[in-house]
Amino acid sequence: QKEVEQNSGPLSVPEGAIASLNCTYSDRGSQSFFWYRQYSGKSPELIMFIYSNGDKEDGRFTAQLNKASQYVSLLIRDSQPSDSATYLCAVNLHNAGNMLTFGGGTRLMVKP
Amino acid sequence: NAGVTQTPKFQVLKTGQSMTLQCAQDMNHNSMYWYRQDPGMGLRLIYYSASEGTTDKGEVPNGYNVSRLNKREFSLRLESAAPSQTSVYFCASSGVITGGVNTGELFFGEGSRLTVL
Repeated sequence: QKEVEQNSGPLSVPEGAIASLNCTYSDRGSQSFFWYRQYSGKSPELIMFIYSNGDKEDGRFTAQLNKASQYVSLLIRDSQPSDSATYLCAVNLHNAGNMLTFGGGTRLMVKP
Repeated sequence: NAGVTQTPKFQVLKTGQSMTLQCAQDMNHNSMYWYRQDPGMGLRLIYYSASEGTTDKGEVPNGYNVSRLNKREFSLRLESAAPSQTSVYFCASSGVITGGVNTGELFFGEGSRLTVL
């Protein structure tokens, strides 16, 4: 089992819909969780981080963390074609210092 | 703001050749990292340096060496390139940012696309 898992997609949603991206992790002691967006041919850029159980909202983005079930999700409301990218989940595993372990990424396609 | 700068952006090597990827950050970060990214594999950690003077292996260190030259610079060397090392390489840094907060966020360079024939 990979330490951080994501469905590779592609996940296709119509413009204006809610896109839901999911990530599961194996290390119950993991402390912090990150969502990065990566456009084709570009470097990853941070969208959000979350440390505590529950929801964290930032504009159209909401990160949800459930440590008991070991999953973290990213909701994108009012999806736009410009949101089309690969979304990478990253986890700071227990006893890993500052290192982040990444999932394989989910490709999101928002259709006009 | 330059952030994280890595060179070269593109390189083609023949099997057995050597090369060094250079990385520099101007954010005064303690920690620096080298990742590789292959299709469908996400980012995999090759080596990291938690602070100046220290380096440690990551998930996929075989075939690579690193040098943390000073706090700003962290280089990745391929001594004898193999086709399996064809990939996109990202350098990243993390640390306390202005305001005294360390969120754990990684700041990435633009990537170096390496092809080994």
